[in-house]
This record gives sequence, C-alpha cells and structure tokens, in this order.
Amino acid sequence: DVKVTQSSRYLVKRTGEKVFLECVQDMDHENMFWYRQDPGLGLRLIYFSYDVKMKEKGDIPEGYSVSREKKERFSLILESASTNQTSMYLCASSSVRRDIPYEQYFGPGTRLTVT
Amino acid sequence: AQSVTQLDSQVPVFEEAPVELRCNYSSSVSVYLFWYVQYPNQGLQLLLKYLSGSTLVKGINGFEAEFNKSQTSFHLRKPSVHISYTAEYFCAVLKTSYDKVIFGPGTSLSVIP
Repeated sequence: DVKVTQSSRYLVKRTGEKVFLECVQDMDHENMFWYRQDPGLGLRLIYFSYDVKMKEKGDIPEGYSVSREKKERFSLILESASTNQTSMYLCASSSVRRDIPYEQYFGPGTRLTVT
Repeated sequence: AQSVTQLDSQVPVFEEAPVELRCNYSSSVSVYLFWYVQYPNQGLQLLLKYLSGSTLVKGINGFEAEFNKSQTSFHLRKPSVHISYTAEYFCAVLKTSYDKVIFGPGTSLSVIP
C-alpha cells in the first residue's frame, strides 16, 4: 500500500520560531510537493521538487523554504513563523511513469497553529 | 492562466438522493482532469481521472464524471449517496505538457440522514 507520511498531525508554534515539517514517501516517486490548504482557497502550491536537491517555487513561496536531500524525503521550513502561516499543510508525491502519470498521493496533513 | 471553478462551495443532499458536483476549467489546450476527495482530518485521495479516451470515467465507490471538451467541464456524479460520502471534493486540472496541477476551491458535500 502506497504511503506518504508527515511528521506531525498537529503542531503549535510561537511567532518567530523556525518550524520544520517533514514528509516521507515510500513509493520511489520522483516528484514531491508542499501545499497549504485554507478554507475557500483550496490547495495552493508552496514548493515542489522533481528530483533530489532540486526545487521549484510554487504560487506562494514567500516565507518558506524546502530541502530535498534524499529522494523519499521533502522538508518544508518556515524560517520565522508568523500568524498568517496558520494553516493545514499537505505533502504529496507523484511519478512520471507513463502508467500513472501525474496522479498525486497525499499525506494526512499537518495542522499548524502559530500563536 | 489556467484556473478551475467549482460553482458550489456547499452542497447539502439527503441520503440515497443523487448528486452532481460541478467543475469548469479554463484552458485552450488538452488537459488531464482529476477529482479528489478529502474526508475530515485526512489528506486527499484520488476518486477518478480523465487522461484520454472515453469521456465518461468511473472511479471508486460508484462515482463517475464526464469530460465535456466544448463546455470545458468535468462534473462529478453519484446516483445515490451514503452518509459516509460527506467530505470535501476537489476538482483538479493539469495541462498535458508538463506542468503543475491546479486545484479548484473545493465543494463541501453534506449528506443528510
């Protein structure tokens, strides 16, 4: 059974803290993604990665950075957390294989509250 | 820019009644289309997808969707809903050239017993 796991389901941090969100997939997928989900806005792409050590900005990268040192792991970093980063964060992965093109597999999400 | 519209933010429906969740997209090129479901406190799961071929696609739990190229729509249908189908449903679009998936804002389906 395919699996994407996220390090925490719920997280509470203070303004100004550095926050790390970890995502691991066991499907040997090339692509990994970080989204944030807010009511009425759907999913918005923060960053994505097509390969180890490669990263691309999504639609809302400001205030975030990412790291992909190993194929299975993609980390999202909030350099200095702010209250407007309170949100649900979803990690996803996908493959470029022809038989399952672009289908994304999602983790359970991390609900981050910044106080 | 490519966009996805889900016309109804909330859809209440009685149990065993039929339901249609609407999705329209803007794109002048060929696309791949997806419907995802998100149950409370969970991540998204793929319900069904259109890549090519038959315009009527079937997915898990008896859901189906029809791709209409002229109307740029991909509406999701279920002839009879169960209370367990209460969830958020997201339509998503990807251009066939390598690109990012664009998600719609979501439709909250509430099944009333």
